[in-house]
Amino acid sequence: DIQMTQSPSSVSASVGDRVTITCRASQAISSYLAWYQQKPGKAPKLLIFAASILQSGVPSRFSGSGSGTDFTLTISSLHLEDLATYYCQQADSFPLTFGGGTKVEIK
Amino acid sequence: EVRLVESGGGLVQPGGSLRLSCAASGFPFRNYAMAWVRQAPGKGLEWVSTIRGSGDITYYADSVKGRFTISRDNSKNTLYLQMNGLRAGDTAIYYCATESGPGDLFDYWGQGTLVTVSS
Repeated sequence: DIQMTQSPSSVSASVGDRVTITCRASQAISSYLAWYQQKPGKAPKLLIFAASILQSGVPSRFSGSGSGTDFTLTISSLHLEDLATYYCQQADSFPLTFGGGTKVEIK
Repeated sequence: EVRLVESGGGLVQPGGSLRLSCAASGFPFRNYAMAWVRQAPGKGLEWVSTIRGSGDITYYADSVKGRFTISRDNSKNTLYLQMNGLRAGDTAIYYCATESGPGDLFDYWGQGTLVTVSS
């Protein structure tokens, strides 16, 4: 099974700050990597697929990069509404696996 | 507009059974793979099972293999998850989701249904 390791597990930042979340796969997954945002009490929402492609309607302050085993999600300028937990997921092979999540809090 | 509405959750005793349903609308259901993803209280996301559009190919997480069965009725645009031999560790919100590429990712999610396994 492919293990997905996210860091940090939580981050506290101010509005306007740049926030970076990393995700590492235990083996190479090419660009088969998705990022999800889950706001408190809500279902997850797809943000980015194929490591760097923004899902329709997602603000451009979100971006993704990486390939192989190392990936990054960046929020270029944090907004209040970005308070959420973010998950990466490898879409390469079954069993499909998620990272442990990164909780983004606003200072 | 894609809409996924789960139902069938509730309280069940250990060893019991439950069948979840997910009513889909707003997209060509038979053309899409579908999945169940769960989230234990205060925990992260865990993929449970996937079924291809035709219903002939299925995948399961090891944690549910042999106990859960995923199925679909394309004439009713509905996805199912039959859960047998339920354990306390199966307590979670169960989400249905559309699954598409590249690879296998979850592009649309329902609101979830809570399954609680307890005596």
